Amino acid sequence: TQLLEQSPQFLSIQEGENLTVYCNSSSVFSSLQWYRQEPGEGPVLLVTVVTGGEVKKLKRLTFQFGDARKDSSLHITAAQPGDTGLYLCAGVSGNTPLVFGKGTRLSVIA
Amino acid sequence: NAGVTQTPKFQVLKTGQSMTLQCAQDMNHEYMSWYRQDPGMGLRLIHYSVGAGITDQGEVPNGYNVSRSTTEDFPLRLLSAAPSQTSVYFCASSSRRATEAFFGQGTRLTVV
Repeated sequence: TQLLEQSPQFLSIQEGENLTVYCNSSSVFSSLQWYRQEPGEGPVLLVTVVTGGEVKKLKRLTFQFGDARKDSSLHITAAQPGDTGLYLCAGVSGNTPLVFGKGTRLSVIA
Repeated sequence: NAGVTQTPKFQVLKTGQSMTLQCAQDMNHEYMSWYRQDPGMGLRLIHYSVGAGITDQGEVPNGYNVSRSTTEDFPLRLLSAAPSQTSVYFCASSSRRATEAFFGQGTRLTVV
């Protein structure tokens, strides 16, 4: 079973601060997805990264896939209360189904 | 545009009871899966299906059965509910294994 380790597990910051969350594994993934989940809802896809070293931007969110395709990071610039939620990374490797990390729970305080 | 629909949204069962969680998708996706989400444990895969008539076990399959008679539906059956099955259950579908997974709103199950 491929494991995806996410850190930190919890993060509480003030509005306007920057933050980075990490998703690490010892396994190589053919692609990696980032989801955000709000209370009472299912996860919703934010981005998929496929190529080692790839960087994708979604407004104030920047996603990076490691060169070796074993890790990824999500950087949020000038966090807002609307960014509050559970951020999950999920990876695909070989013929295995999508595997999820345990998530980072972000709270942005106004 | 319904996407993935799960029913019921909430359920309380007594230990030993059986029930079926329903999941239906209207996107003609071949790939469907069931996850459970527990505090601090993330999403763990229970069972998945790559197409009608084909199912396979995930990480935590014990105590659950599935079937896939149509592309649209993928029900999850709890044969004899146990308190350890208290959790939030999510159904997801995708066009292929590695593409975007669309999730339902979840079923919050409590076994007493």
